[in-house]
Amino acid sequence: GAGVSQSPSNKVTEKGKDVELRCDPISGHTALYWYRQSLGQGLEFLIYFQGNSAPDKSGLPSDRFSAERTGGSVSTLTIQRTQQEDSAVYLCASSWGTVSGYTFGSGTRLTVV
Amino acid sequence: SQQGEEDPQALSIQEGENATMNCSYKTSINNLQWYRQNSGRGLVHLILIRSNEREKHSGRLRVTLDTSKKSSSLLITASRAADTASYFCATDLSGSARQLTFGSGTQLTVLP
Repeated sequence: GAGVSQSPSNKVTEKGKDVELRCDPISGHTALYWYRQSLGQGLEFLIYFQGNSAPDKSGLPSDRFSAERTGGSVSTLTIQRTQQEDSAVYLCASSWGTVSGYTFGSGTRLTVV
Repeated sequence: SQQGEEDPQALSIQEGENATMNCSYKTSINNLQWYRQNSGRGLVHLILIRSNEREKHSGRLRVTLDTSKKSSSLLITASRAADTASYFCATDLSGSARQLTFGSGTQLTVLP
């Protein structure tokens, strides 16, 4: 596609429910990244994919967080048993290599009530 | 702690003035990038400067990099109200880390 697409753009969920966030990167971009941003803060790295493999999962905050990428394209970030501290904007980015600039999606604003 | 730290945290200027934002980092880098963010959503890539470069221009943007001081600056000349946004530096670290590490950002407000 023309840009990085994320869905949903907004998600309100009850504490304890599972949520799934989707990222559709730019076609041909091999690298895909998930970050999250709390209100007024910088970006916190979550996970990075090169193709379908995730060489670096070091940023995932707990075992409630998981991500996968299939076909070298779409990625999903799953948060199980959501907590209020999970509320943030979840940003996905892709790039065609690891030494080029990122293209970001518009993010998913997750609110856990 | 953050690899990149922007300074100042907030900057308010009049339209037409120049805006300068600084970024300091701690470890060796492959490159440093600047991004802009409006309204807390997606970031837009502005410019990338490699570790062997000292200065780069793109339109009204000028970026400098001093690897000896581990610092970079972003200059926006002849600012416009539309430049109001948060600006982040991001470092691509040398070594095994392959993801960008972002600073906490500078909130720029350009007053008309």
